[in-house]
Amino acid sequence: GENVEQHPSTLSVQEGDSAVIKCTYSDSASNYFPWYKQELGKGPQLIIDIRSNVGEKKDQRIAVTLNKTAKHFSLHITETQPEDSAVYFCAASMGGSARQLTFGSGTQLTVLP
Amino acid sequence: DVKVTQSSRYLVKRTGEKVFLECVQDMDHENMFWYRQDPGLGLRLIYFSYDVKMKEKGDIPEGYSVSREKKERFSLILESASTNQTSMYLCASSLGGPTYEQYFGPGTRLTVT
Repeated sequence: GENVEQHPSTLSVQEGDSAVIKCTYSDSASNYFPWYKQELGKGPQLIIDIRSNVGEKKDQRIAVTLNKTAKHFSLHITETQPEDSAVYFCAASMGGSARQLTFGSGTQLTVLP
Repeated sequence: DVKVTQSSRYLVKRTGEKVFLECVQDMDHENMFWYRQDPGLGLRLIYFSYDVKMKEKGDIPEGYSVSREKKERFSLILESASTNQTSMYLCASSLGGPTYEQYFGPGTRLTVT
């Protein structure tokens, strides 16, 4: 099955700096790559996603890039703010009967004021 | 707004007990999922369902079973709870068809003593 590796496990940045989280996947059949944000005491929530026919996608301060050849994708957050502090998960999907996702291990992002 | 609710936020059970975790979604979603979340391991898929009475094993189904008798409700059953099932359990749902986005409940923190 699919395997998704995520790095780093923890990341601390100063407010206003950029943060980058990287993921690699194992199965070239994967075609959908979302990023979820989990705030304390809540379930994860989708923040951005990208499909395999697109190399980059941007939404305000967040962007995701995909390199299909290398089988890796990254989340970029610019001008970080304290409210960006959370756990971030990458995931990959090959489709399937329920479009099920395989998640990475998560990154705890802390934005220092 | 999609709402996914889980029956308990915190649950303490004894080894060997039968445990039921309930999940309800209010948006007529086709797909429902159960994950467990452990530090450093991310979200791991236990079981999922793509229709009423239909279920498929995820990556870690051992020791668990599920039931989906109604479209809005998906139950996770621990037939005989063990200490290694102490974890955070997250339920999610998705619309179905070509849609991938999953909506998560707030989680149930289960402790087995």
